[in-house]
Order: sequence, then C-alpha cells, then structure tokens
Amino acid sequence: AQKITQTQPGMFVQEKEAVTLDCTYDTSDQSYGLFWYKQPSSGEMIFLIYQGSYDEQNATEGRYSLNFQKARKSANLVISASQLGDSAMYFCAMRGWQAGTALIFGKGTTLSVSS
Amino acid sequence: GAGVSQSPRYKVAKRGQDVALRCDPISGHVSLFWYQQALGQGPEFLTYFQNEAQLDKSGLPSDRFFAERPEGSVSTLKIQRTQQEDSAVYLCASSLGTSGAQETQYFGPGTRLLVL
Repeated sequence: AQKITQTQPGMFVQEKEAVTLDCTYDTSDQSYGLFWYKQPSSGEMIFLIYQGSYDEQNATEGRYSLNFQKARKSANLVISASQLGDSAMYFCAMRGWQAGTALIFGKGTTLSVSS
Repeated sequence: GAGVSQSPRYKVAKRGQDVALRCDPISGHVSLFWYQQALGQGPEFLTYFQNEAQLDKSGLPSDRFFAERPEGSVSTLKIQRTQQEDSAVYLCASSLGTSGAQETQYFGPGTRLLVL
C-alpha cells in the first residue's frame, strides 16, 4: 500500500525567505508520480509541481522546486522567496503509474508567511 | 477553458436527508475522481470514472454513497440518509485520462457538507 507522511503540522516563514516542506513516501511500486498541491482557505486544491519516479532531474516550476531523493523516499517542496499569498495548506500526494489511479495524500502542512 | 466546477458550494442537511452533489469537469477530460476531505485531513479517494464507466468505487464508505456520470461529463455524488460523520468537503477532480502517473488531476472548489 502507498503512504505519504508529512511530519510538519505547521511551518512559519518570513516574506522573501525560502522554506522547505517535508514529505516522505512509501510504496512498493517501481513507477509512480509525486505531486504537491496548495489549498488556500477558499478550499480549492491548486496543482503546484510534479516529479516522476524515473525523472533524474529535480522538478522546478517558478518559485517551487522539488527536492527528490529516491533512495530516501523523500520529495520535499522548496518555496523560494516566500510571499504573503503563499500562506495556505500544502499537501504532498502520490499515485501509481496506471491511468485512473487515485492520488494518495498526506495530512498536509500549514504554511504561514509573515511580513 | 473553464476549470472544474462544483455545486452547491455549501450544503446543510438534517440527519437522514438525501443530498446530491454535482461536478462539472474540464471539457474533454476522460477521468473523473471524487474525494472526501475531513476537517484537518488530506483528501481521501471515493470513486473513479473513465467516461461514463465507474471503474473503481472502492473508497465509497457505505452503500449510502452512490455516484454516476451517465453521459461521461457531469457527475453526481449522492448520499442517502445522511449521517453526522458524512460532514466533510467533497472534492471532484478531472484529468485527461490519456497518460499515466504524470497526469495532473485538476480539482474543483469542493462542496462543504454539514449534517446536523
């Protein structure tokens, strides 16, 4: 069975600083995908970044990067130059390779950005 | 184009009432998923459609929960005889359905259900 663990219930960061949100995963699959979503207080899940298990390079999307360490089964999200609008809940998720496989989510980390 | 939309955004039901939650996926998306998100938790899978076919309903918590997507686009999640433990946010997500793990699921804003 697949499992996602996010051990940080809450994180605090000041504007313009970088922050790392931790995510470890457990799976017996060889092929899988890892995702990060942002959920503001409005409730909508916003896709941020994707990393495939066979990707050799760490994924980057603007201020977001994914620090993927396959041997350690970790997929940490790094947000550079934090902004007040980054305050939200962040979820790490994974899914198998087969089409139609559902996402398995962690419990999330609440990020608070202060000025 | 437009994103995934869900209605109603909020629903208050008395225990024992039936409710119906609607999801309009992104046009052309073959795959549609329903998730349930309890307060302070991550979403949990309920059911999956490929076009009109419900291929996986292993996450539905009881036979009071029923989902359909009769024409392969709009989907409805129905909960019969609602219980207080059904109170949660119900999220719908859609994806193209043409590729594997890298395929992104796009979520709607959710329906927040409160059962009194």
